[in-house]
Amino acid sequence: AQKITQTQPGMFVQEKEAVTLDCTYDTSDQSYGLFWYKQPSSGEMIFLIYQGSYDEQNATEGRYSLNFQKARKSANLVISASQLGDSAMYFCAMREGYTSGTYKYIFGTGTRLKVLA
Amino acid sequence: NAGVTQTPKFQVLKTGQSMTLQCAQDMNHEYMSWYRQDPGMGLRLIHYSVGAGITDQGEVPNGYNVSRSTTEDFPLRLLSAAPSQTSVYFCASRHLGTHNEQFFGPGTRLTVL
Repeated sequence: AQKITQTQPGMFVQEKEAVTLDCTYDTSDQSYGLFWYKQPSSGEMIFLIYQGSYDEQNATEGRYSLNFQKARKSANLVISASQLGDSAMYFCAMREGYTSGTYKYIFGTGTRLKVLA
Repeated sequence: NAGVTQTPKFQVLKTGQSMTLQCAQDMNHEYMSWYRQDPGMGLRLIHYSVGAGITDQGEVPNGYNVSRSTTEDFPLRLLSAAPSQTSVYFCASRHLGTHNEQFFGPGTRLTVL
């Protein structure tokens, strides 16, 4: 069963507008973490933002914020004031399952965002 | 600080050939891992290590071997390459802890003919 679901394979947004990328997750752990990564066309993976399951406030990092709704098991990424450089693939990931001395990270299938001028 | 480095960036192999993908980090991270990225599949964990001498299997370990003789290096070996191993491979590292993000290498694009 897929544990991280990103239902939007591709999205478009007009420059300077806000956009929300959806991520839902499934876990039975009480303690877990959620991450968002950006992968531009050059291929590298860039960490954007982190939200812990016990964090009461939604995480924010500059123009990025994470809309964390624990009861709905969703961790949507909000990008405000989109820029052309935001065009990339975005991955949601979850840290869970402490086994063999560490946590495992599970990634979603990604959402490709295109910012239009 | 070079971060996480991977070599080579691109590689073409014939079916049955062997090769080693190199990964090194200079951040003294305990945890290192290998992922493969395929279209529509996201990143899938192949093998990981929580320290020198300790390795374990991830979600898709078949066809791959790893070892961790030092903190810095975590090579991934393909003993007999198959076309199904055509993919982009990422190495990642982080400190052990509850919410440390992973740092990724630039990736290796492997094609098996």
